[in-house]
Amino acid sequence: QKEVEQDPGPLSVPEGAIVSLNCTYSNSAFQYFMWYRQYSRKGPELLMYTYSSGNKEDGRFTAQVDKSSKYISLFIRDSQPSDSATYLCAMSPFSWNTGKLIFGQGTTLQVKP
Amino acid sequence: DTEVTQTPKHLVMGMTNKKSLKCEQHMGHRAMYWYKQKAKKPPELMFVYSYEKLSINESVPSRFSPECPNSSLLNLHLHALQPEDSALYLCASSQDTGEEADTQYFGPGTRLTVL
Repeated sequence: QKEVEQDPGPLSVPEGAIVSLNCTYSNSAFQYFMWYRQYSRKGPELLMYTYSSGNKEDGRFTAQVDKSSKYISLFIRDSQPSDSATYLCAMSPFSWNTGKLIFGQGTTLQVKP
Repeated sequence: DTEVTQTPKHLVMGMTNKKSLKCEQHMGHRAMYWYKQKAKKPPELMFVYSYEKLSINESVPSRFSPECPNSSLLNLHLHALQPEDSALYLCASSQDTGEEADTQYFGPGTRLTVL
């Protein structure tokens, strides 16, 4: 079993839809959670960063962490064709864990006009 | 400014060539990373430098040789590569202290093709 599980998709939604992207993990020590967006043939771009449980909102993006269920989510409201990309979750057990992030496999999202 | 730059954008090399990838950041980060990414896979960690010293080598073959000349620069020297080494090579940087120590900022990558 992988430490972090993420459905690779692809996920296809119409423009304007609410998108829910999810990761589950097995290591209860994870405390730092990140979401990256990666466009085709580009480097990953940090979207959201959360520490421990709770929600964090930034514009159309909301990150949720449920440590009791070992489950994290990224919600995208009013999705746009420009949101079409691969979304990677990443996590770490504590601050400066030697720099090693544990990545999910990535979910490919397509938003259709 | 959260920019990490990488050169070149694309590189094609033969198996007997020697080439170098370069990475630069001016965010004052003291940790820098090299990753390798194959298509439809997440980035795979290769090396970590902390305060210009190599702190992690993920059992990378010696045909990849990292170098950190100063706190802003990171190089990856390539020699006698194999076709299976063709991939997107990503550089990243982060703080190594504080709450956001694990927040890594990635460069655009160098797309390497080995013939």
